[in-house]
Amino acid sequence: GENVEQHPSTLSVQEGDSAVIKCTYSDSASNYFPWYKQELGKGPQLIIDIRSNVGEKKDQRIAVTLNKTAKHFSLHITETQPEDSAVYFCAASGGGYQKVTFGTGTKLQVIP
Amino acid sequence: EAGVAQSPRYKIIEKRQSVAFWCNPISGHATLYWYQQILGQGPKLLIQFQNNGVVDDSQLPKDRFSAERLKGVDSTLKIQPAKLEDSAVYLCASSFSPGLVNEQFFGPGTRLTVL
Repeated sequence: GENVEQHPSTLSVQEGDSAVIKCTYSDSASNYFPWYKQELGKGPQLIIDIRSNVGEKKDQRIAVTLNKTAKHFSLHITETQPEDSAVYFCAASGGGYQKVTFGTGTKLQVIP
Repeated sequence: EAGVAQSPRYKIIEKRQSVAFWCNPISGHATLYWYQQILGQGPKLLIQFQNNGVVDDSQLPKDRFSAERLKGVDSTLKIQPAKLEDSAVYLCASSFSPGLVNEQFFGPGTRLTVL
């Protein structure tokens, strides 16, 4: 089955700085890579996603890159704000029913 | 648009007792998922329904866990009997349809503590 590794497990940045979270996946059949943000006491919420036919996608301060050859994808948050503080999960999805496998999560703390 | 509803939000039981969780997905969503999220880890898929049929339950501990989705709408997840290691947040999610790349919408989860 698919295996998704995520690093770092914790990340502290100063407000206004950038944050980068990296993930690798094992199954070359995976074709959809969502990123979720989870705040305390809530379920994960999709913040951005990328498909295997695209190398990069940007949405305001958030961008995701995908390297299919290396089976590697990353989340970039620029101009971080305190409200960006949360746990972020990468995931990989593929197969007929698009089973989603999550990474282990990154706790991001943005220091005002 | 109403989100995914789950109840109860919190549950405390003793080991060997039984517990059931309920999920109401977003209207019109054909696919429903149950995930187990242990503290400090990512969600792990337990079971995935397409309408009222199971398409993946490979990680469901079938000796103690069961789930059903009658009429292809609401779903219940049951644990009987519970073990200490079942302490986790149980998340329900839904999506419009499988086989297509589309977003999963998560409920707030049920936090289960087994003493």
